Amino acid sequence: DQQVKQNSPSLSVQEGRISILNCDYTNSMFDYFLWYKKYPAEGPTFLISISSIKDKNEDGRFTVFLNKSAKHLSLHIVPSQPGDSAVYFCAASGVSGNTPLVFGKGTRLSVIA
Amino acid sequence: KAGVTQTPRYLIKTRGQQVTLSCSPISGHRSVSWYQQTPGQGLQFLFEYFSETQRNKGNFPGRFSGRQFSNSRSEMNVSTLELGDSALYLCASSLPRQASYNEQFFGPGTRLTVL
Repeated sequence: DQQVKQNSPSLSVQEGRISILNCDYTNSMFDYFLWYKKYPAEGPTFLISISSIKDKNEDGRFTVFLNKSAKHLSLHIVPSQPGDSAVYFCAASGVSGNTPLVFGKGTRLSVIA
Repeated sequence: KAGVTQTPRYLIKTRGQQVTLSCSPISGHRSVSWYQQTPGQGLQFLFEYFSETQRNKGNFPGRFSGRQFSNSRSEMNVSTLELGDSALYLCASSLPRQASYNEQFFGPGTRLTVL
């Protein structure tokens, strides 16, 4: 039973265009959502997060949108750059800082120059 | 500030053997979590240690175990290795804070291959 789902295993986008990565979750107790980026042979690095009390969080070229009623979040990258090519993981956590992260299976983004 | 370090980076073992992986968290971080990443499965949570105590545990068999030392360094052990244990094992550290989510910082992982 997967609580965090990333239904697109891969996504290909042209440089300069918008990349939209999607994530759905099933557990209504999730309170905090994060996106991590992973390059080959490296550990995931934190990208951006959003609390359930917000519906949008922006950091430079990266924006995360949260739709609690639909249990859906998305990561927008504008404009996309070749260096953004990586695997992106969506993760969720409960209210307490002591609950473990639950990750999706990841989406491989390829930005084509 | 040094990041999370994991040793060894690569490991090849045969079925039935056991293996121990090591993780040194970022200085000052007291929580260490372990994850298994396999192709197409994302990151699956193994366990978390805080102040030398296991605080959370994922859905893995008892062959997977871990511990944390007083300096916050952590080890995980897998006994009686199976082919399906071949994976990237990631360690992540965090402070943690009590009242809100703690960002986790990941190490580069240990690539375990079981033959």
